[in-house]
Amino acid sequence: GQNIDQPTEMTATEGAIVQINCTYQTSGFNGLFWYQQHAGEAPTFLSYNVLDGLEEKGRFSSFLSRSKGYSYLLLKELQMKDSASYLCAVRDQNTGTYKYIFGTGTRLKVLA
Amino acid sequence: DGGITQSPKYLFRKEGQNVTLSCEQNLNHDAMYWYRQDPGQGLRLIYYSQIVNDFQKGDIAEGYSVSREKKESFPLTVTSAQKNPTAFYLCASKGSLNEQFFGPGTRLTVL
Repeated sequence: GQNIDQPTEMTATEGAIVQINCTYQTSGFNGLFWYQQHAGEAPTFLSYNVLDGLEEKGRFSSFLSRSKGYSYLLLKELQMKDSASYLCAVRDQNTGTYKYIFGTGTRLKVLA
Repeated sequence: DGGITQSPKYLFRKEGQNVTLSCEQNLNHDAMYWYRQDPGQGLRLIYYSQIVNDFQKGDIAEGYSVSREKKESFPLTVTSAQKNPTAFYLCASKGSLNEQFFGPGTRLTVL
């Protein structure tokens, strides 16, 4: 079946580094995405991995291992504004159509 | 500015009433999507449209209907057949990296 797992909640300190893990099971993997969602707002796109390896984008990096069904989002130099939910999503191909499967999100609290 | 707009931001409905949520985009994207988000759950796909005049049911389409008569517009109707319609509804379109661009969302409450 299709499934995405990520921790429910994490806490980190301002200025630190935090790694949010995501494991997935899909039948037709076609890309993994990370989104940031502040409370009461819409998700915004952070990063995209389709091949194995690390993608770096400023303070945010995302890693993918397709053989392990595993990804992580790395946030460096944490700021208070990084307090948000982080959604892991997989684009899945099935019978010629593409759909996105979302995890439940990891709520990150950044403490001063 | 290009983007996706949804209206209204907050919507209240009495039980037994149909209601239509608006979604408009000027990003020239072909594919558009409707999700609902409930506390403690991931985004769940209601309907999606790969191109104008075509749409498919998602994982939780029962009690909902859509139309895609124009590329820019993908309205969602929540019918009285939807058993638990109170939720946060998000419309999205697909960008060049296959990423989703989301509208600001509509929070529907059934009274």
